[in-house]
Amino acid sequence: GAVVSQHPSRVICKSGTSVKIECRSLDFQATTMFWYRQFPKQSLMLMATSNEGSKATYEQGVEKDKFLINHASLTLSTLTVTSAHPEDSSFYICSAWTVDGYTFGSGTRLTVV
Amino acid sequence: QQQVKQSPQSLIVQKGGISIINCAYENTAFDYFPWYQQFPGKGPALLIAIRPDVSEKKEGRFTISFNKSAKQFSLHIMDSQPGDSATYFCAASIKGGSYIPTFGRGTSLIVHP
Repeated sequence: GAVVSQHPSRVICKSGTSVKIECRSLDFQATTMFWYRQFPKQSLMLMATSNEGSKATYEQGVEKDKFLINHASLTLSTLTVTSAHPEDSSFYICSAWTVDGYTFGSGTRLTVV
Repeated sequence: QQQVKQSPQSLIVQKGGISIINCAYENTAFDYFPWYQQFPGKGPALLIAIRPDVSEKKEGRFTISFNKSAKQFSLHIMDSQPGDSATYFCAASIKGGSYIPTFGRGTSLIVHP
């Protein structure tokens, strides 16, 4: 089936630096991709909807300048956590609609030290 | 966002037993009801999904039962195995495009050997 490929799976960065997470659609084109954040033992929290060639739509309470989303092509969406701080440490997951249904990437564990 | 209520929050089952997780929704426009399985440190994986025109769908040991009039659906895991230990999320959506599924809070399943 169609695959949503996410990289890296884990990243550790120093406080104040920026981190980029990539989400690729393999064998299909995704005009829309979705970005989630998940805290331990909790459900998925939608952060933003990424639209190819246009600005992302952010959910209420999500800082646009902190979480930069770029969807420059039909197969790639990126989430950049800018000036990361320890409170940004979390599990980030992307998703997209595929022929198999609503499909998630494998997630990225971000740890800010 | 319309809520999807999921229960129980946690479930402990003996190996070989039946695990049952229930969900209820409000929005009658929903036409796609997937279940996801998530292991620690991984993204949610689509397990099985159902459309409202059928009352039951079975794939291996996993069965979705759907009650349209009650606006409820449930996941049954037959002959539960320790490898089934994971967090399970139900969701409800209008399938495709920019529609965003509404997720339940998740059920942590532990299957004892």
